Amino acid sequence: DTGVSQNPRHKITKRGQNVTFRCDPISEHNRLYWYRQTLGQGPEFLTYFQNEAQLEKSRLLSDRFSAERPKGSFSTLEIQRTEQGDSAMYLCASSFGPQGHYEAFFGQGTRLTVV
Amino acid sequence: AQSVTQLDSQVPVFEEAPVELRCNYSSSVSVYLFWYVQYPNQGLQLLLKYLSGSTLVESINGFEAEFNKSQTSFHLRKPSVHISDTAEYFCAVSEQGGSEKLVFGKGTKLTVNP
Repeated sequence: DTGVSQNPRHKITKRGQNVTFRCDPISEHNRLYWYRQTLGQGPEFLTYFQNEAQLEKSRLLSDRFSAERPKGSFSTLEIQRTEQGDSAMYLCASSFGPQGHYEAFFGQGTRLTVV
Repeated sequence: AQSVTQLDSQVPVFEEAPVELRCNYSSSVSVYLFWYVQYPNQGLQLLLKYLSGSTLVESINGFEAEFNKSQTSFHLRKPSVHISDTAEYFCAVSEQGGSEKLVFGKGTKLTVNP
């Protein structure tokens, strides 16, 4: 197992287009998180899954954002009608255990640029 | 709600010098505390964590951090840094028994010069 995998690593899209990112967590990790990081800032929490259930969503996650984790394995994050303000690094993390964030393992992220 | 303040956005030091990266947090409830490190072109990696027990926690590569509840701080220290310690360091908190989310500070860029 090579860790949390995110694809694509980079995405450039035109404003108004839809984009989808994929995250493959570490095998058997039941918890999966999405964060967003902009330049000069720390990561900001977007949403959290335990198995296939989406248990928490940040107010940062507008109606244009949707995340899924079918069958409790990989996850996708879709942004509809992208805006320039969506340009950021999107990070996925996974963990395992009764309180999973004892050690969250992060992927290398997907860098989104909206032009 | 929790918040994290990392007072220094950049810390330049010379190799073999000591370093302290400061982290203060605000929370109305008890928290867990973490330091993550991000090396160039790599993902975030957990460096060390405080969950309970001894207030001094150590990492395998010589860093240590001390939880100070009265000062709501969790400063990161290393007595002698190496060039390879050059990275960005993020302090983070999460609520005990509550939300699973990590709240991060803005990060401190540590640059170790020869």
